Amino acid sequence: AQTVTQSQPEMSVQEAETVTLSCTYDTSESDYYLFWYKQPPSRQMILVIRQEAYKQQNATENRFSVNFQKAAKSFSLKISDSQLGDAAMYFCAYKMNYGGSQGNLIFGKGTKLSVKP
Amino acid sequence: EAQVTQNPRYLITVTGKKLTVTCSQNMNHEYMSWYRQDPGLGLRQIYYSMNVEVTDKGDVPEGYKVSRKEKRNFPLILESPSPNQTSLYFCASSLSLQGYEQYFGPGTRLTVT
Repeated sequence: AQTVTQSQPEMSVQEAETVTLSCTYDTSESDYYLFWYKQPPSRQMILVIRQEAYKQQNATENRFSVNFQKAAKSFSLKISDSQLGDAAMYFCAYKMNYGGSQGNLIFGKGTKLSVKP
Repeated sequence: EAQVTQNPRYLITVTGKKLTVTCSQNMNHEYMSWYRQDPGLGLRQIYYSMNVEVTDKGDVPEGYKVSRKEKRNFPLILESPSPNQTSLYFCASSLSLQGYEQYFGPGTRLTVT
């Protein structure tokens, strides 16, 4: 069974600095997607960034980028120039990419990010 | 505006009193799913539906029922709620089973006393 592990329950960063959130996953599949979701105090689940496993290039969305290491099964999120609005719970998630699966997003337990002014 | 809506957003009920949480999407998505979120556990899938009249169990289906009579709606039913079903519930939808982006509703905070 696939699993997703976030080893940092809580992280803290100074405003305007850079922080990296860690995520590792376990799968025997070769075709899958990886995601980072942000959950602010409003509880809404917001997609931050997505990575297709077949793409070697790391995904980037403005201040958010990932370091995808397929062989190591690692998928870390880097937030540059951190802002107060980045404070939230961040979830790493995995999804297989073919029929026969239940379309399930498998989530890690989350990392709570605090941003200090 | 493309969205997934859930109602109610907050619900406090008593053990054994049947309840329904509604979910509706306006994106003509085939795939819909229910998750529950508990502290320290992340989100776990309860049930999913690949299309109208097609539903199946996720990882934690015990105590829940669903139905998919229309493409846009996917209600979650708790026939006899118990305190261990106190949780934050999310409905999500995507274009298809293979769709890589799932759109989440705003969440429903359920408390069962």
